[in-house]
Amino acid sequence: QSVLTQPPSASGTPGQRVTISCSGSSSNIGPNTVNWYQQFPGTAPKLLIHSNSQRPSGVPDRFSGSKSGTSASLAISGLQSGDEADYYCASWDDSLSGWVFGGGTKLTVL
Amino acid sequence: EVQLVESGGGLVQPGGSLRLSCSASGFSFSTYAMHWVRQAPGRGLEYVSAISGDGGGTYYADSVKGRFTISRDNSKKTLYLQMSSLRPEDTAFYYCVSPADSSGWELDYWGQGTLVTVSS
Repeated sequence: QSVLTQPPSASGTPGQRVTISCSGSSSNIGPNTVNWYQQFPGTAPKLLIHSNSQRPSGVPDRFSGSKSGTSASLAISGLQSGDEADYYCASWDDSLSGWVFGGGTKLTVL
Repeated sequence: EVQLVESGGGLVQPGGSLRLSCSASGFSFSTYAMHWVRQAPGRGLEYVSAISGDGGGTYYADSVKGRFTISRDNSKKTLYLQMSSLRPEDTAFYYCVSPADSSGWELDYWGQGTLVTVSS
């Protein structure tokens, strides 16, 4: 059981915009920032969004993040087949004094 | 360029021990906190352990506390995870992770992972 809650799956057609939600609490997302990771099968997770909405160098601006209260969202616009991957949210938890993750969302491009 | 290369994974029997290593390059290793994150095959991510740059501060998830020990050798730019009393539920890919900022505790750069399988 993951501390952060994500939908297990999401889907869209090429060109569409999809969003993935991440729900937390007053001990994690509420007071802290959120990161998003992208993971392709057989590879390590890669940082996609940090500090709620910041993209590391090299990440296309089709990917955007936002946070409101104890929830966060990842939006992918202009969906491409190459975006098919698992997406994880993460945040620091003040009660646990450690990082906590969502269970991951498998994105399918139809 | 930051590079993190894990090694030491393998098959071990329940109750056994294993030591993972993570060789780091491309940044001033001794000034950065370092982390271990694991992922059971087909499952989500779990934060396992962390250590401050000077090794004086450590963190362990409750699931591994008392069984795993994190350490580092800054002269060798290497991070370690000593795992003992291993259980089948410890089976996972273990990733070495570093922050991008020496003052941070973030999970920015990830190694390729090493697989630990606990089975008889």
